[in-house]
Amino acid sequence: DTAVSQTPKYLVTQMGNDKSIKCEQNLGHDTMYWYKQDSKKFLKIMFSYNNKELIINETVPNRFSPKSPDKAHLNLHINSLELGDSAVYFCASSLQGGETQYFGPGTRLLVL
Amino acid sequence: GESVGLHLPTLSVQEGDNSIINCAYSNSASDYFIWYKQESGKGPQFIIDIRSNMDKRQGQRVTVLLNKTVKHLSLQIAATQPGDSAVYFCAENTYSSASKIIFGSGTRLSIRP
Repeated sequence: DTAVSQTPKYLVTQMGNDKSIKCEQNLGHDTMYWYKQDSKKFLKIMFSYNNKELIINETVPNRFSPKSPDKAHLNLHINSLELGDSAVYFCASSLQGGETQYFGPGTRLLVL
Repeated sequence: GESVGLHLPTLSVQEGDNSIINCAYSNSASDYFIWYKQESGKGPQFIIDIRSNMDKRQGQRVTVLLNKTVKHLSLQIAATQPGDSAVYFCAENTYSSASKIIFGSGTRLSIRP
């Protein structure tokens, strides 16, 4: 069984488009996260939700909007995609904030 | 072999030897530290963690050492195997920042046959 799953695994799109990435966890965790990993493998947190409530919002452009319909899901919508958005996006979850995080397989986004 | 985890350096180790991956963390207030392993095409995977009230913790073939005086963390892997090839990240947690875990820049471990 997949603990943290993301769809799609690959996403290739044109500049200016709007796209969404979905994340689901079946671990019963309260906290979920979105990270961006650049080409140099640097992992940076973007957002964190605890039980559907936003608790961390890093300096991310407002083109990025997370949505948590319930505590098992945290989706990421990106408007007006730019070349610099190309990266691997990872979803993660933890039992509570500050505990060990479990990562999904990643979504590889390429903006052309 | 040893390496400092800055700017994704590569540590090359002979199969069967021990590996030591080093990490300098930034915040003296951090009290929880984690090592993650990321294999090619996959997400980071938890290896081992340590809290600031400890200076050593052992797992299966892995040991984490914490030196709070110099803000230094290391991961030791005994009898390195081909399956250990990956990028290794240290991470620190700062509870004052709403449980935000900060990742180091990673070290790539390469195994020579």
